[in-house]
Amino acid sequence: DTAVSQTPKYLVTQMGNDKSIKCEQNLGHDTMYWYKQDSKKFLKIMFSYNNKELIINETVPNRFSPKSPDKAHLNLHINSLELGDSAVYFCASSQEGTALSEAFFGQGTRLTVV
Amino acid sequence: GQSLEQPSEVTAVEGAIVQINCTYQTSGFYGLSWYQQHDGGAPTFLSYNALDGLEETGRFSSFLSRSDSYGYLLLQELQMKDSASYFCAVKTGGFKTIFGAGTRLFVKA
Repeated sequence: DTAVSQTPKYLVTQMGNDKSIKCEQNLGHDTMYWYKQDSKKFLKIMFSYNNKELIINETVPNRFSPKSPDKAHLNLHINSLELGDSAVYFCASSQEGTALSEAFFGQGTRLTVV
Repeated sequence: GQSLEQPSEVTAVEGAIVQINCTYQTSGFYGLSWYQQHDGGAPTFLSYNALDGLEETGRFSSFLSRSDSYGYLLLQELQMKDSASYFCAVKTGGFKTIFGAGTRLFVKA
């Protein structure tokens, strides 16, 4: 059983299109995240949600809109895609309040905007 | 600003010991984590230090000195499969962890 699963794994699309990435975790965690990893492998936090509520929005353009229908799901919708949005997007989850602070990552979605 | 500094690349031979350092400057600090990422894969958790000292998990150990804003990951008995990128990450507050730029480890036979 996959702990954090995101779909699709690969996404190739044209500039200006709108696309969504879905993420689900079956770990019972209360916190979920979206990270962006660029071509230099720098991992940058975009959003974090706790119990379906947005906690952190790291100055991400408002073309990016996360949605959490329940605490097991955190989807990412991107409007008007730009070339610079090309990256790998990782969903992750963790349980806040534990001593370990371990985050579990999905396998990533490689987005290529052409 | 907030920053985490770690070397961009390290090369070592099979069977050797390698240390990857991380220094940080953040507005808050709850703990320091280490993650491993193979090419094309997802980051996977290795260790977490909230208090000063050394934590050992098998061949991997992680150290933290909060007064020096410094930590390291020690990998012993290196194997080819340890070739990967290693990220240090600081939990700066509730619900937020920021990552360093990663250290690419090359293990040679």
